[in-house]
Amino acid sequence: GQSLEQPSEVTAVEGAIVQINCTYQTSGFYGLSWYQQHDGGAPTFLSYNALDGLEETGRFSSFLSRSDSYGYLLLQELQMKDSASYFCAVSPIKAAGNKLTFGGGTRVLVKP
Amino acid sequence: DTEVTQTPKHLVMGMTNKKSLKCEQHMGHRAMYWYKQKAKKPPELMFVYSYEKLSINESVPSRFSPECPNSSLLNLHLHALQPEDSALYLCASSLDRLTYNSPLHFGNGTRLTVT
Repeated sequence: GQSLEQPSEVTAVEGAIVQINCTYQTSGFYGLSWYQQHDGGAPTFLSYNALDGLEETGRFSSFLSRSDSYGYLLLQELQMKDSASYFCAVSPIKAAGNKLTFGGGTRVLVKP
Repeated sequence: DTEVTQTPKHLVMGMTNKKSLKCEQHMGHRAMYWYKQKAKKPPELMFVYSYEKLSINESVPSRFSPECPNSSLLNLHLHALQPEDSALYLCASSLDRLTYNSPLHFGNGTRLTVT
């Protein structure tokens, strides 16, 4: 099976940097994805890491260390609109979308 | 706005009712999914369709019956539900099951309440 752990809540101010950690234990692993979900909205894809290292997409970056079964999502220059829940998710087979298992989610609250 | 459209947005049904949730995408994706999400919890996979064939059923009770009439449509038929089935039901699609780095595109979901 799969289990993923991430902090339940993080609070930060506008302009700050937030790092959301995700540790996982899986029977099979091909990649770590991150999704953002605003209250009442649909989860939206942010990033996918299959190889070790840092992937940067604008203000958001994602990191993976396969040897440590660990990844993180880095949110820079926080904006009010970044207040949302962020989920890490594991792909147990060689396709980012299929049979994803999600972590419990981290609720990020951005304050003025 | 999302590219995956779900109807209805809200649904209230009694335990003896039969209803259906509908999902549509026109991105040419060949994999479609149903997820269930309880409040403040992550989405949980229910079913995966690949090229209109059911490929994964995550031991979902038979009171939930999926159907994929064509590559753009996905239905979830509901019958004799229990109050604990109340949740947000999310449809999603991806390019296909096995393409590297093919993310899920979610719809906004149907908020289901079983009374």
